[in-house]
Amino acid sequence: DGGITQSPKYLFRKEGQNVTLSCEQNLNHDAMYWYRQDPGQGLRLIYYSQIVNDFQKGDIAEGYSVSREKKESFPLTVTSAQKNPTAFYLCASMKIWKGTHTGELFFGEGSRLTVL
Amino acid sequence: DAKTTQPPSMDCAEGRAANLPCNHSTISGNEYVYWYRQIHSQGPQYIIHGLKNNETNEMASLIITEDRKSSTLILPHATLRDTAVYYCIVRVAVNNAGNMLTFGGGTRLMVKP
Repeated sequence: DGGITQSPKYLFRKEGQNVTLSCEQNLNHDAMYWYRQDPGQGLRLIYYSQIVNDFQKGDIAEGYSVSREKKESFPLTVTSAQKNPTAFYLCASMKIWKGTHTGELFFGEGSRLTVL
Repeated sequence: DAKTTQPPSMDCAEGRAANLPCNHSTISGNEYVYWYRQIHSQGPQYIIHGLKNNETNEMASLIITEDRKSSTLILPHATLRDTAVYYCIVRVAVNNAGNMLTFGGGTRLMVKP
């Protein structure tokens, strides 16, 4: 079945370590997104990418990095520069058709990162 | 993008209709209204969207006022599995530099037996 796969589902990290979260989609969607969610809060956009080899910062990009070498993949690296990385991370994709989009985001199941 | 205002929480009895309001008084003429929901510890799920006319699908109905300054998402027969946070978002459906949806606090709907 088509969808978005995030891994790992749970991740523990020591302070000062970088960690990479995986996001893969087989929906043939052009746009991909990373959101962060803190307890009881809405989603905040970290990075997004509309085409391969191009990506844009969202509202809270500091301390994060991404790459988009393949259409299907959009990994997120949480670096040691991110001061408060413990959060729920959500990856999403959207179909862009003839320069417009439906607004329908497809989300993965999320990755919960805990810094010890 | 137009800002949306939603009540932080609502209760609904199982089997009854759940009516979730959203205020978007600064919406522009080319902005759509989208609704998503998020069940605890899962990724949000698309529900429905509309521009001017009322919309209905297998999950819900969307009623948009004539002046488009507010809308209501209707779950006709709420079940316990509809307990979730519901997000109302407005966005233009064009591929511009800010091609993303912004999720605010949403409404936490609790469906009770």
